[in-house]
Amino acid sequence: DTAVSQTPKYLVTQMGNDKSIKCEQNLGHDTMYWYKQDSKKFLKIMFSYNNKELIINETVPNRFSPKSPDKAHLNLHINSLELGDSAVYFCASSPWSGGNNEQFFGPGTRLTVL
Amino acid sequence: QKEVEQNSGPLSVPEGAIASLNCTYSDRGSQSFFWYRQYSGKSPELIMSIYSNGDKEDGRFTAQLNKASQYVSLLIRDSQPSDSATYLCAVKWGKTSYDKVIFGPGTSLSVIP
Repeated sequence: DTAVSQTPKYLVTQMGNDKSIKCEQNLGHDTMYWYKQDSKKFLKIMFSYNNKELIINETVPNRFSPKSPDKAHLNLHINSLELGDSAVYFCASSPWSGGNNEQFFGPGTRLTVL
Repeated sequence: QKEVEQNSGPLSVPEGAIASLNCTYSDRGSQSFFWYRQYSGKSPELIMSIYSNGDKEDGRFTAQLNKASQYVSLLIRDSQPSDSATYLCAVKWGKTSYDKVIFGPGTSLSVIP
């Protein structure tokens, strides 16, 4: 199946811990994203990578560090987790394009910080 | 501050009716417009994209764009209970992948059998 996949699907952890979320796409896209969707369902961009290069870096605490080992993978590492980090994190990808930016989303990772 | 606004709903329509979802955006320079559907507990799924003024139809869905009024809408004809979901309007400023997509807060649609 061609898709955007994420692991894990659920992540429950204690405050102060460090955790990672992995994302892979086999759509052949050049651009990948991390979004955060909070309890009010607002979907906000965090980071975007194009072909391993960071191109969008929103105002996100530096506890969040994305890494793209190749254009098919984009991981998100979070240090010193806080209660406010609880949310659903979506990975997405899109073709590199001068205009269109149709994004395809992964299934999401529900992070709960206790 | 670039903004995308939608009525949060819930919008309730009877089965078979037309559902009309509206979205306004703050920046006249916006280039690309998208509608995503998100079922509860699932990820957003692209259903329509529109780039120029006018209407674009795809099956039961019609997207309408009016750049002068900074307004984009989605019409769903012959609404089905399976259309019950949150619909996210998304707007991209600019023409490059450096320009981010801003999502609206979503409108919850409920189609009553």
